[in-house]
Amino acid sequence: KAGVTQTPRYLIKTRGQQVTLSCSPISGHRSVSWYQQTPGQGLQFLFEYFSETQRNKGNFPGRFSGRQFSNSRSEMNVSTLELGDSALYLCASSLTSSDSRYGYTFGSGTRLTVV
Amino acid sequence: AQSVTQLDSQVPVFEEAPVELRCNYSSSVSVYLFWYVQYPNQGLQLLLKYLSGSTLVKGINGFEAEFNKSQTSFHLRKPSVHISDTAEYFCAVSDAGGGFKTIFGAGTRLFVKA
Repeated sequence: KAGVTQTPRYLIKTRGQQVTLSCSPISGHRSVSWYQQTPGQGLQFLFEYFSETQRNKGNFPGRFSGRQFSNSRSEMNVSTLELGDSALYLCASSLTSSDSRYGYTFGSGTRLTVV
Repeated sequence: AQSVTQLDSQVPVFEEAPVELRCNYSSSVSVYLFWYVQYPNQGLQLLLKYLSGSTLVKGINGFEAEFNKSQTSFHLRKPSVHISDTAEYFCAVSDAGGGFKTIFGAGTRLFVKA
C-alpha cells in the first residue's frame, strides 16, 4: 500500500511569507502528527490531528497551525515566516490517536528554507 | 516529566564490527519504547519496538534491542554492521496509557567505515 506522502519536498520562502504543507497518510490511518526537525533542537512535536480534530499540541507559537480533512489528509500552515522556521517538517501517520503501540509511519518530509 | 536521552551523538565503527547505541528514558508511567532509523533526505523508519513481554526484541535489518526496566534503558545492538547501516538512529518513548505523545531522543549518528 502507498506510504505517507508529503508535498512539496522542498520549499524556499522569504521572511514574512506564509506556507502550507500537505500530508496524505497511509490509507486507513486516521491520526496525523507533525514534527519539526532541526539540527539544534532535534525532533519537536507540533500537533496531532485525529478525525478532523486537533488532539494534542506542542509548544509552538500560534503562527503554526494545521487542519485535517474528512479523508484524513492534513495540512499545516506557518504564517509570518522567520529564519528560524527553516527545518525539515515531518508528517507521521498512525492508526489511532489514543494507542501508540503501532508506532508511526513517516513521510519523507518537506524541507523548508526561509531566506 | 518524561524524557529520552541518547548517550552518544556520534558512533563511528568499522564494517563488520558490533555496535551498541545507548538510550535511557525517564517516565513515571508504563511506556512503549521504539527505535527509528533515518537515512539522508528521508523520513524516519520504524526499526523495532518494545510493548511488553520478552525484554529482547528483534527488528529489521538485523537489529535488536533489550529493555532493562531497572536501568530504564533500551539499548540498540547489531552484531555486525554494514556500510549501508550508516544513518541517524532515534530512540523514542510513548505513554502506554495513551497519555503523553511520543518523545524522541536527540539521535545518534552511526557512521560505518570500510
